[in-house]
Amino acid sequence: GAGVSQSPSNKVTEKGKDVELRCDPISGHTALYWYRQRLGQGLEFLIYFQGNSAPDKSGLPSDRFSAERTGESVSTLTIQRTQQEDSAVYLCASSLQGVLPYLNSGNTIYFGEGSWLTVV
Amino acid sequence: KQEVTQIPAALSVPEGENLVLNCSFTDSAIYNLQWFRQDPGKGLTSLLLIQSSQREQTSGRLNASLDKSSGRSTLYIAASQPGDSATYLCAVRPNSGYALNFGKGTSLLVTP
Repeated sequence: GAGVSQSPSNKVTEKGKDVELRCDPISGHTALYWYRQRLGQGLEFLIYFQGNSAPDKSGLPSDRFSAERTGESVSTLTIQRTQQEDSAVYLCASSLQGVLPYLNSGNTIYFGEGSWLTVV
Repeated sequence: KQEVTQIPAALSVPEGENLVLNCSFTDSAIYNLQWFRQDPGKGLTSLLLIQSSQREQTSGRLNASLDKSSGRSTLYIAASQPGDSATYLCAVRPNSGYALNFGKGTSLLVTP
C-alpha cells in the first residue's frame, strides 16, 4: 500500500481481555517495528522484525505481550490479559532497511497512524 | 544506554520567525539520526534522515545538521508557518541494533 496501515484505529477493552493489533507495512519493506507511546510520554521500542531473521523482542514489557510477522507481510501485536497501564497508542513502522542501507531512502522509517488502546 | 534529550520541551513563536530545535545524544556510536513531526492524534511523519557520515540534510524550509562527535543535532525551520505547529521528535539509530531511541520531543506552536 501507499503507507503503513494499522487497525483498529481505536480500541476500548475491559481489563483482563486480550487484544490484537494489526499492521500492514509498506509493500517491499523488510523491516517492521512496533512502538508504544503512553500519554505525555516518549516512544518506547517494543519489537523489531527484519525479513525472516529472529525478531528483536528486547523491548516487550512483559510476557503478556507478543508479536508475529510472517515473512515481509502483516504483523500482529497481541496483548493478553490487558491492564490499565497498557493504555497507549501502539505505533507500527516499516523501512527498506537492509535492502538499500547506504541510501537515506533505504533507512527512512515510516510510521502508521497508530492504534489507540484504552483499557477500562 | 543511549539517552536522547530535546530542548526546549515547548516553544511558541510568531509566524515568520526562523527557529532552531535541539537534540542531544549521549552515545556517539550512531548509524543515523532522523527527525519526525507528530500531529495531535496522528502518527509520525519523517522529515529528514542524516546518515552518520553526513553533516546536514535539507528539505524545503527545513535543515537538519549533525555533529556526531559532540552528540548534537539541530533542526532549523525557516520562515515558520502556523502549519508547522506540531511536536518534533528526534531519533537515533545505534550502530549495533535497529531500535530507534527517541527524545521526548519539542512541542512547537506557531501563532498567526
